[in-house]
Parts: sequence; C-alpha cells; structure tokens
Amino acid sequence: KNEVEQSPQNLTAQEGEFITINCSYSVGISALHWLQQHPGGGIVSLFMLSSGKKKHGRLIATINIQEKHSSLHITASHPRDSAVYICAPHAYNTDKLIFGTGTRLQVFP
Amino acid sequence: DAEITQSPRHKITETGRQVTLACHQTWNHNNMFWYRQDLGHGLRLIHYSYGVHDTNKGEVSDGYSVSRSNTEDLPLTLESAASSQTSVYFCASTGQVKALNYGYTFGSGTRLTVV
Repeated sequence: KNEVEQSPQNLTAQEGEFITINCSYSVGISALHWLQQHPGGGIVSLFMLSSGKKKHGRLIATINIQEKHSSLHITASHPRDSAVYICAPHAYNTDKLIFGTGTRLQVFP
Repeated sequence: DAEITQSPRHKITETGRQVTLACHQTWNHNNMFWYRQDLGHGLRLIHYSYGVHDTNKGEVSDGYSVSRSNTEDLPLTLESAASSQTSVYFCASTGQVKALNYGYTFGSGTRLTVV
C-alpha cells in the first residue's frame, strides 16, 4: 500500500468549475506540501501546511492531521491551472518528502 | 535572490559513459536531494545530504553517487550510464522543519537521455 494516495488521478474540468484534489497519507508528518508541475516544466511548491487551512489567490489547501487527509481546492478554475498537482507529506523526524503520484488536471475553456 | 540551479538542462550521453549533473543552491539550505521522475512512478529519491560531507542513499540509488564538499553544491554522478537511467532529474533543497529557511525549492530539472 502506498504511503500517500491521491484522488483522482486524472481530472478534466470546464473553465470556472470548482476543483478538489484529495490526499490521504498513512505516516506521521510534520508538514505537507502541495506541489504544481506544468507539462515539461519545473516543480513549484504551492503550499506548506501543518494544520488548518491556507489560501493563496484562487487556491485553498486544508489539512486534518487527525484524519491524515489534505485537500487542494481551486476556485473558478482556468486553463492555466492545467498541470499535475502532487501531494508531498514531510515525514516526521526526517527532512524527506514522500510523494503522491500526482493528479493530472486539464481545464478546458 | 536566492535560487537553485541545475545544469545542464538537457544531456544526451552514450551507454557506459560517466555523467555528472550539477545542482547549486544559494539558499544556504543544509538539506539537498536528488530525485528522478519517470512516467508511472512519480518522483523517486536517489540520494540526499543533510550537510557538508554527509550523503545518504535513497530508494533508487544503484548506479548513482553524490558528494557534498560545500553547502551550495550536490553533484549527481552516474558511474556508467545505462538506458534505464534515461529520465528527468530534479534537485531540491530545504532548511530544517521549523527553521526560518524551511521551504522546499526545486531546480528546473535535467532531462537525461542515454543512448
């Protein structure tokens, strides 16, 4: 069983739709990152959170440490949001990330 | 501004050759990591370092080596390149959790093709 499970693996949306990507993990963590990777591009850290909720523009990330679950929401999705989104918990007492396999999002105009 | 840079961006090499990929960061991060990214596998950890002269094997370390002689650099060496090592390689760095300079930063990647 993978230590990090993301769902869905692939997601297609129309511009303007509300998007939710879910992440469940089985290990103890000190923080969790949401990463974004555009096709052929580099990897950018969108959020790092260890509790509660963070918001940046149209992006919202939440985490429930007790339930070992995090979600990434995109409000009013746009074609430029098309990318792979990767959940990456930071394992407790290490400085290593554990990566989900990613969710490929395509937003059509 | 602080940054993390990888070079080269693209590399084609022949089977059996030794290849070194460079990673340089100016964040003053203690921790540096090398990952490879392949379709169907996501990011997998090759080697990592928690500081100068410290190196550790990750989950896919066979055929790779690293050395850490200063804070800024963690070069990745493929001892004898194999076609199975064709991949995109990412370097990352971070400070320690709860430290002011904590925050994972990724390089822009090196696309390596072994022919």
